[in-house]
Amino acid sequence: DGGITQSPKYLFRKEGQNVTLSCEQNLNHDAMYWYRQDPGQGLRLIYYSQIVNDFQKGDIAEGYSVSREKKESFPLTVTSAQKNPTAFYLCASSSPVDSNQPQHFGDGTRLSIL
Amino acid sequence: AQKITQTQPGMFVQEKEAVTLDCTYDTSDQSYGLFWYKQPSSGEMIFLIYQGSYDEQNATEGRYSLNFQKARKSANLVISASQLGDSAMYFCAMRETGAGSYQLTFGKGTKLSVIP
Repeated sequence: DGGITQSPKYLFRKEGQNVTLSCEQNLNHDAMYWYRQDPGQGLRLIYYSQIVNDFQKGDIAEGYSVSREKKESFPLTVTSAQKNPTAFYLCASSSPVDSNQPQHFGDGTRLSIL
Repeated sequence: AQKITQTQPGMFVQEKEAVTLDCTYDTSDQSYGLFWYKQPSSGEMIFLIYQGSYDEQNATEGRYSLNFQKARKSANLVISASQLGDSAMYFCAMRETGAGSYQLTFGKGTKLSVIP
């Protein structure tokens, strides 16, 4: 079945540590996105990529980095510069050619500070 | 100003009754799309329904319908015959396509609780 796989489901970060969240899709979508969700809040865009080897900052990119070396993969690194990383992280993908098509989401990664 | 406003932090509905979740939006684009997603407690985001700004008919998908009032900039979600499994967070989102971007802007959500 086609879909988006995020791993791990739960992740713990120590102070000063960088951690990487994985996102893989087999939907053949060109565009991929990373969102952050805090308790009781909506989703906020961290980074997005509309094509391989290209990505753009979203509304809250500080303290995060991404890469897009393959169409299927869009990993997110939470760096030590992100002082409040505890949140639920969701990865999504879409086909930009069909603007009326929804973004498809993975099941998310919950990140906590140790 | 917020682009997507959901004014109901929480809603209760009796099982088998209909419920309306409010969403208003703000955009100067002529071309845009409106989406509703459901997020159960497990966390995944489930797409429910889509309405394009040029669509003349209100969108419907099974028990879900979208009450689209363009002049009022509102896109309310109507769930008919509520079921216990409908208990979840519901998010309204907008995609503004005028700039060639396909980003979604989300509201803060409404928590729906279905009472047996």
